[in-house]
Amino acid sequence: EVQLVQSAAELKKPGESLTISCNGSENTFSNYWISWVRQMPGKGLEWMGRIDPTDSYINYSPSIQGHVTISADKSINTVYLQWSSLKASDTAVYYCARRSRSDYYYYGLDVWGQGTTVTVSS
Amino acid sequence: AIQLTQSPSSLSTSVGDRVTITCRASQAISSALVWYQQKPGKPPKLLIYDASRLQSGAPSRFRGSGSGTDFTLTINGLQPEDFADYYCQQLETYPFTFGPGTRVDIK
Repeated sequence: EVQLVQSAAELKKPGESLTISCNGSENTFSNYWISWVRQMPGKGLEWMGRIDPTDSYINYSPSIQGHVTISADKSINTVYLQWSSLKASDTAVYYCARRSRSDYYYYGLDVWGQGTTVTVSS
Repeated sequence: AIQLTQSPSSLSTSVGDRVTITCRASQAISSALVWYQQKPGKPPKLLIYDASRLQSGAPSRFRGSGSGTDFTLTINGLQPEDFADYYCQQLETYPFTFGPGTRVDIK
């Protein structure tokens, strides 16, 4: 079964740094792009950005660019989402998800991680 | 950024009913639209890609249609497991925005 496995839930204080991770198979990271999606409590889905794990080319959403960093380590098939200074408004569930790099059709995000809950509170 | 609107924002319906959810894009996006279902505490599940193609494993009662700016997700013969939130997403231009969602619950 194809899986994306995310790191465990985090409880942090405002101003602290944090990195969460998303691990998949070698096949996934060779043939798919990985997106991060945020879901704030009781709210809808928000696309944050995507990375090509083979060359680390990234597209960010303008709404989050500059506040988070997306990166990848293709040697261990892992993608990261990083904050240098958390805010209370970063409290959310964060999902990673893969999308085929094929342009034959407009493919969607077909495999999702289980989600990482990040709580930022003083 | 391309904006997506969904209607209705919520609806109450019964098992066996036909449900129609619409998604409208602020500019033409060809067939670059997908649909997801999300249940509480779970990640979203892809139902439809390329506006009208059924994702492998998704039940055939789900049907997507439309192109350009107007799209529709139809559920024919609603089942108990279909009560959930539904989101559209455009994949034409970065950022790949989601619609605000439609909640389908039991009447």
